[in-house]
Amino acid sequence: EPEVTQTPSHQVTQMGQEVILRCVPISNHLYFYWYRQILGQKVEFLVSFYNNEISEKSEIFDDQFSVERPDGSNFTLKIRSTKLEDSAMYFCASSLGSGYTFGSGTRLTVV
Amino acid sequence: KNEVEQSPQNLTAQEGEFITINCSYSVGISALHWLQQHPGGGIVSLFMLSSGKKKHGRLIATINIQEKHSSLHITASHPRDSAVYICAVRSRTSGTYKYIFGTGTRLKVLA
Repeated sequence: EPEVTQTPSHQVTQMGQEVILRCVPISNHLYFYWYRQILGQKVEFLVSFYNNEISEKSEIFDDQFSVERPDGSNFTLKIRSTKLEDSAMYFCASSLGSGYTFGSGTRLTVV
Repeated sequence: KNEVEQSPQNLTAQEGEFITINCSYSVGISALHWLQQHPGGGIVSLFMLSSGKKKHGRLIATINIQEKHSSLHITASHPRDSAVYICAVRSRTSGTYKYIFGTGTRLKVLA
């Protein structure tokens, strides 16, 4: 069964550093999403991406965040200058329009 | 008050029991999702609903748009159903869409 692949599974970074979280969506999917879940809290929507541009974003997705689909297969989330409160599990998902397939997540720890 | 409320927050059942998890929302929506988050953290999309009822195996999801309420039912529950079940809605406010997640229902099915 097709999978959404996220790398790395766990990343530790120093506060203020830039991080790039990578996702390979399912190849024929058209919609791409990033979510995050702070430990012990509910899942939060960050951004959706369609037709090579952001279609929706939440209040969390400020200027520190950006997304790209650089080569038609990868879908990346960049955090420019990480803060302690960015520590969370970040999930990528892709969809053809109904139903989603989630990746297994990247646990980001900012120290 | 949360825009998406789930009940119960925690549920323990015996194997074989019929389980119902409820989701109420206070915003206008274009779609409602039921997600399953495994103990390891991975998320699986179960259903996307905009009206009526959907069934997949032992899982049934219903939505009542007028009452702003959805239910997820599990028939003949099994210990492997133990997970957190999350309701999420896609709502439109002032021309923009946002995704709102419930805090989840933690289900434990005992053998």
